[in-house]
Amino acid sequence: QSVLTQPPSASGTPGQRVTFSCSGSSSNIGSNTVNWYQQLPGTAPKLLIYNNNRRPSGVPGRFSGSKSGTSASLAISGLQSEDEADYYCAAWDDSLSGVVFGGGTKLTVL
Amino acid sequence: EVQLVQSGAEVKKPGESLKISCKGSGYTFSTYWIAWVRQMPGKGLEWMGVIYPGDSDTRYSPSFEGQVSISADKSITTAYLQWTSLKASDSAMYYCARRGDGYSDFHFWGQGTLLTVSS
Repeated sequence: QSVLTQPPSASGTPGQRVTFSCSGSSSNIGSNTVNWYQQLPGTAPKLLIYNNNRRPSGVPGRFSGSKSGTSASLAISGLQSEDEADYYCAAWDDSLSGVVFGGGTKLTVL
Repeated sequence: EVQLVQSGAEVKKPGESLKISCKGSGYTFSTYWIAWVRQMPGKGLEWMGVIYPGDSDTRYSPSFEGQVSISADKSITTAYLQWTSLKASDSAMYYCARRGDGYSDFHFWGQGTLLTVSS
């Protein structure tokens, strides 16, 4: 059972917009920034969004992040087949004094 | 170019010891925290702990404290993850990652080290 809650799966068709949710509590998302990672099959995770809504250089603008209260969201617009991957949210947890990850959402592009 | 290069895959027996490595290059190694992240087969990411190579300040996840040791040698820009007595349940992929300015933003990742523990 992960501290941050993500739906296990999501799907969309090419060109569509999809969103992923990440639910936490006051000790993690509610008081710290959220980061999102993309893990393509058989590869290391890659930072997609940091500090709630900032994109590292090289990440396309069709990826965006937001946070409200104790929840956060990742959105992908103009879905592409190469976006098929696992997506994880992460935040610092003040109560646990450590980084907590969500269980991940597996995105299937139909 | 920032790079984290991890040591190769390992196959060990229960009870054996192991130290895997993560060599950083392309940046000032001693000034960025390095974290270790576990991914068990078919499962999600788990933060194990983090070390600041500049002074070896180390923090562990409560889930991993006492189970592993994290260390670093800044003279050779390398971080380590060590076990003294492996268990089959330690079989997983282990990633090192360089932290940014926040606590949970890992901007650069190693390629991973696959550990298999089996009798």
